[in-house]
Amino acid sequence: NAGVMQNPRHLVRRRGQEARLRCSPMKGHSHVYWYRQLPEEGLKFMVYLQKENIIDESGMPKERFSAEFPKEGPSILRIQQVVRGDSAAYFCASSLGLAGYTDTQYFGPGTRLTVL
Amino acid sequence: SQQGEEDPQALSIQEGENATMNCSYKTSINNLQWYRQNSGRGLVHLILIRSNEREKHSGRLRVTLDTSKKSSSLLITASRAADTASYFCATAPPYTGANSKLTFGKGITLSVRP
Repeated sequence: NAGVMQNPRHLVRRRGQEARLRCSPMKGHSHVYWYRQLPEEGLKFMVYLQKENIIDESGMPKERFSAEFPKEGPSILRIQQVVRGDSAAYFCASSLGLAGYTDTQYFGPGTRLTVL
Repeated sequence: SQQGEEDPQALSIQEGENATMNCSYKTSINNLQWYRQNSGRGLVHLILIRSNEREKHSGRLRVTLDTSKKSSSLLITASRAADTASYFCATAPPYTGANSKLTFGKGITLSVRP
């Protein structure tokens, strides 16, 4: 059973360009979470999605950031008009979404975004 | 504000020794999870302990949870050089009918000297 897949692993963009980060959850998982990690920091929650629905986007910056998890295909985190401060590691996690309790989140290897 | 606060921030021990890392949090939780991150890599889930549990074991790992003190500890016994990594605690809020975000601490850097 493959784990959470993220691509690309490394992404370099110039200021003003768009960054698209992809995440394929573990097989059978219908819940996806995006987190951002700045150097020497812990992970900060960004958004939580189920298929075709955004459940919690309380950690998403109000502008330039968007996320989707379509019925078919991977989850996408899109950053428009990137700025240097967007440089970070972006991690995706997935979980089964079992009813009744909060279950384990399994993380992908991350996408390291560098904005020049 | 930071929900999970680990201490110490850095720990250096000799191979074979035990490593104890602590985590404190501020608000009620559904569960607390510990993750390991090797330099430049993703997070590996180590263990989850629920709010109604007090202690849990997994191999060389032992986790305790004291909800009255809002704290948890992770003990790694008989440490190995391969245990060198950053360790994070993460808390999940009380269950309200749906899964939820995890709130992470800043992490503890563990170095195990061969």
